[in-house]
Amino acid sequence: DTEVTQTPKHLVMGMTNKKSLKCEQHMGHRAMYWYKQKAKKPPELMFVYSYEKLSINESVPSRFSPECPNSSLLNLHLHALQPEDSALYLCASSHGPRLGSDTEAFFGQGTRLTVV
Amino acid sequence: AQSVTQLGSHVSVSEGALVLLRCNYSSSVPPYLFWYVQYPNQGLQLLLKYTTGATLVKGINGFEAEFKKSETSFHLTKPSAHMSDAAEYFCAVTYTDKLIFGTGTRLQVFP
Repeated sequence: DTEVTQTPKHLVMGMTNKKSLKCEQHMGHRAMYWYKQKAKKPPELMFVYSYEKLSINESVPSRFSPECPNSSLLNLHLHALQPEDSALYLCASSHGPRLGSDTEAFFGQGTRLTVV
Repeated sequence: AQSVTQLGSHVSVSEGALVLLRCNYSSSVPPYLFWYVQYPNQGLQLLLKYTTGATLVKGINGFEAEFKKSETSFHLTKPSAHMSDAAEYFCAVTYTDKLIFGTGTRLQVFP
């Protein structure tokens, strides 16, 4: 299994809603990532988990709350989002605890989030 | 800090023509470089990567890239474009545990 699976594929939520994005991988990877991608832009790193611990938070607003319950699962909890948070949210994983050398990132298909 | 620059936000080629997508990196030490492809409404797929060793790297779907230290470049090429190559291509570099992406190049292929 060489896939990173993200659910749901599409999500529409109101500004007062609470929702969660889910990411799963069964490749034994020890690092997992959340990226945000706006239209016609490159992905921007949000969070990095290494060995199930949050290692990088790129100054993301607290309305985004990541969680790593185990080494295979990564969640992104959403609360009180703004319309400008509408984007494609990508999850990725890598073999080693950190990127570098020949450790490439494997990406999921993303969740297309629309905040109304 | 490491960064990559992709020259040309759009590249258009005819089917069967050479594809050349440009990427330059900023680093005084050899970086780890990657090319990713993103099809519409999809995630990113790794095309190829440069770590150490051979400077000509072969990837999937007939793509290859050459690492040129003297030019700080890692351009992506394919001898003959196919319609299915139409997508967004991102050059990326690793830096302090992060994967830093270039701004992307949209490749259009005309019949």
